[in-house]
Amino acid sequence: GENVEQHPSTLSVQEGDSAVIKCTYSDSASNYFPWYKQELGKRPQLIIDIRSNVGEKKDQRIAVTLNKTAKHFSLHITETQPEDSAVYFCAASTINNNDMRFGAGTRLTVKP
Amino acid sequence: GAGVSQSPSNKVTEKGKDVELRCDPISGHTALYWYRQSLGQGLEFLIYFQGNSAPDKSGLPSDRFSAERTGGSVSTLTIQRTQQEDSAVYLCASSLAEGVEAFFGQGTRLTVV
Repeated sequence: GENVEQHPSTLSVQEGDSAVIKCTYSDSASNYFPWYKQELGKRPQLIIDIRSNVGEKKDQRIAVTLNKTAKHFSLHITETQPEDSAVYFCAASTINNNDMRFGAGTRLTVKP
Repeated sequence: GAGVSQSPSNKVTEKGKDVELRCDPISGHTALYWYRQSLGQGLEFLIYFQGNSAPDKSGLPSDRFSAERTGGSVSTLTIQRTQQEDSAVYLCASSLAEGVEAFFGQGTRLTVV
């Protein structure tokens, strides 16, 4: 089955700086890559996703890039704010087989 | 509309007892997932249901764990003879068959004492 690895496990940045989280996946058939944000004590919620037919997607301060050849994808958060502090999870799945596997998560702390 | 609903929200049980956790997915969502999240840890895949297909049980940690999904809607996760290491938050998520954004329930916090 799919195996997703995520790095780093923890990340601390100063407010206003950028944060980058990286994931790799093992199944070349995977074609859907969502990112979830989980605030303390809350459920994970989707913040952005990308499909394999595009290499980059942006939504305001967040962006995701995908390199299918290398089987890795990354989350970029610019101009970080304290409210960005949370645990972020990447995931990979295939549209025709929704078995979605998650990375181990990255705890992001944005210091004011 | 209603999101994914899980019950109970909290469950404290004695070691050795059986527990049942319930998930009501979003209406019309054919895909349903169960994950386990230990304190401060990631999302451990347990089981996945898609429509009428045989479920993917590859993530179930032992034969004490089982799950079913009746009528393609409500799902129950059963843990038999609970152990202290089963203590965790159990999260359910559902998604449409063709679109794949998964929506999570609020989880069931299971504590085995």
